[in-house]
Amino acid sequence: GENVEQHPSTLSVQEGDSAVIKCTYSDSASNYFPWYKQELGKGPQLIIDIRSNVGEKKDQRIAVTLNKTAKHFSLHITETQPEDSAVYFCAAKENYGQNFVFGPGTRLSVLP
Amino acid sequence: DSGVTQTPKHLITATGQRVTLRCSPRSGDLSVYWYQQSLDQGLQFLIQYYNGEERAKGNILERFSAQQFPDLHSELNLSSLELGDSALYFCASSVEGLAGIKFFGPGTRLTVL
Repeated sequence: GENVEQHPSTLSVQEGDSAVIKCTYSDSASNYFPWYKQELGKGPQLIIDIRSNVGEKKDQRIAVTLNKTAKHFSLHITETQPEDSAVYFCAAKENYGQNFVFGPGTRLSVLP
Repeated sequence: DSGVTQTPKHLITATGQRVTLRCSPRSGDLSVYWYQQSLDQGLQFLIQYYNGEERAKGNILERFSAQQFPDLHSELNLSSLELGDSALYFCASSVEGLAGIKFFGPGTRLTVL
């Protein structure tokens, strides 16, 4: 089955700097890659997603890039703000199933 | 507010006991997913239902079972509880189960003593 790795496990950046989180997946047939933000005491919230027929997608300060050949995708957050502090999860959807396999998460801290 | 509701918010029980977690999906969503989140395992997929029928099964223990009712709410039953079952249990819903999961509920924190 699908396996998703995520790095780094923790990331601290200064407010205004950029943050990058990287994920790799194992199943080349996976075709959908969402990113989730989880704040303390809350459930994960979808923040951006990308499908395998697209190489990059941007939504304001957030962007995701996908390299199908290398089987990795990354989340880019620019001009970080303290409210971006949270745990971020990447996920990959198995092509033949309905299951989303999640990465282990990255705890992002944006320091004021 | 995601529109997915889960009850109870917190649950404390003893080993060997049985509990039921409840989830109401967003209005119009036919698919319900259950996930377990523990510190050492991350988010683990348990099971998915679509319009009352089981659609996919993940790493769900035999001691756990779930169902989706005609009104589309779902219940996750956990029995013969062990200390290691202590975790956050999330429910998520989506329109048809083929698209992305956009909406997770706030979770139920289960503590087994």
